Amino acid sequence: DAGITQSPRHKVTETGTPVTLRCHQTENHRYMYWYRQDPGHGLRLIHYSYGVKDTDKGEVSDGYSVSRSKTEDFLLTLESATSSQTSVYFCAIRKTEVNTIYFGEGSWLTVV
Amino acid sequence: GESVGLHLPTLSVQEGDNSIINCAYSNSASDYFIWYKQESGKGPQFIIDIRSNMDKRQGQRVTVLLNKTVKHLSLQIAATQPGDSAVYFCAETSAGGTSYGKLTFGQGTILTVHP
Repeated sequence: DAGITQSPRHKVTETGTPVTLRCHQTENHRYMYWYRQDPGHGLRLIHYSYGVKDTDKGEVSDGYSVSRSKTEDFLLTLESATSSQTSVYFCAIRKTEVNTIYFGEGSWLTVV
Repeated sequence: GESVGLHLPTLSVQEGDNSIINCAYSNSASDYFIWYKQESGKGPQFIIDIRSNMDKRQGQRVTVLLNKTVKHLSLQIAATQPGDSAVYFCAETSAGGTSYGKLTFGQGTILTVHP
């Protein structure tokens, strides 16, 4: 158990609406990540954070923004959802004491 | 961009057999590799990792081998069990600084274990 909670776990939304996914961790880890998983593409990094208010883009950041106002929460926002953003979104944390990366259980997002 | 790939998309084995899942990587700067197991409807579960200063690392029923010369990684599962059935991903990153955790994943191998 990596102490990661993602919410919502499942969501259906309409094209053009804003959506925010939340990743909450209980162990005060500095590094947090958002990945998306699509058939044929594996997991790809969207954004990551290396501290409160410190974020950077990943491989597939277009159409997404993130915020980290406190250590335990990392939010992923789709400002105007599109069908191409239908995906499974995974949050991950870096446990520095063992120096590896653990994933949450995922958020299934469908944009119709 | 550079990526990590898998040779075999599917692997079927009998219960009790040993399984070997292979992975090729192309980024010579990668120095940290992780194997994940993903069951349907769940997040990737950490299995084992290895750093580039090692050739082999063993865990419980699993062994990871790293051949830096040919940029090849393998996961060996001993005495495979039905509960091992899942998709297995290799991932790579550079271990230093903020690049760490920016994982590049392979496409995955589906392992099916028959009783």
